[in-house]
Amino acid sequence: AQKVTQAQTEISVVEKEDVTLDCVYETRDTTYYLFWYKQPPSGELVFLIRRNSFDEQNEISGRYSWNFQKSTSSFNFTITASQVVDSAVYFCALLKAAGNKLTFGGGTRVLVKP
Amino acid sequence: EPEVTQTPSHQVTQMGQEVILRCVPISNHLYFYWYRQILGQKVEFLVSFYNNEISEKSEIFDDQFSVERPDGSNFTLKIRSTKLEDSAMYFCASSLSRGAQGGYNEQFFGPGTRLTVL
Repeated sequence: AQKVTQAQTEISVVEKEDVTLDCVYETRDTTYYLFWYKQPPSGELVFLIRRNSFDEQNEISGRYSWNFQKSTSSFNFTITASQVVDSAVYFCALLKAAGNKLTFGGGTRVLVKP
Repeated sequence: EPEVTQTPSHQVTQMGQEVILRCVPISNHLYFYWYRQILGQKVEFLVSFYNNEISEKSEIFDDQFSVERPDGSNFTLKIRSTKLEDSAMYFCASSLSRGAQGGYNEQFFGPGTRLTVL
């Protein structure tokens, strides 16, 4: 069975601070995909990034960066220079190669104060 | 930019009534999904659909639930006899490919339908 754990339930920062969201996953599959989604107060789920299990290169996309470490089953996500519009719930999710369903973590609520 | 749309945005129904939630996936996508999110909780997978049949379903998706793609654009979720515990936000999603196919397997979600069962 797959499992995604986001230990941080809520993080509060002041604008322009960096914020790092932790995600730990469990899977027996050797090939899988990891995602981050954002759920702003309006409620929709917005796809942010995807990572393949066979590519551990970390990347930066604008103010977003991620740190994928297969050895520790972690897929952490960082927002650099946070803005008020970044206030949302962020979900980490896992998709196994042989399946269709996304397994979501419990989410981390990020509150960015001006 | 193409997006998944869902109607209605909010549905209120009496316990025991049937509801149909509607979705229009992104037009060139081939895989379709329903998820639900009970208020304040995590997003849970219900069902995936491909080539006019269910490809995977969760234990939540019991005989009270059904899905259909009645035409080339709509994808519906029917709950036959709603229960109080069916109150949740229901998200439709679509993707161009599925997990095993690698690229373009990210699922794009609609804005959700909030279902309230009284």
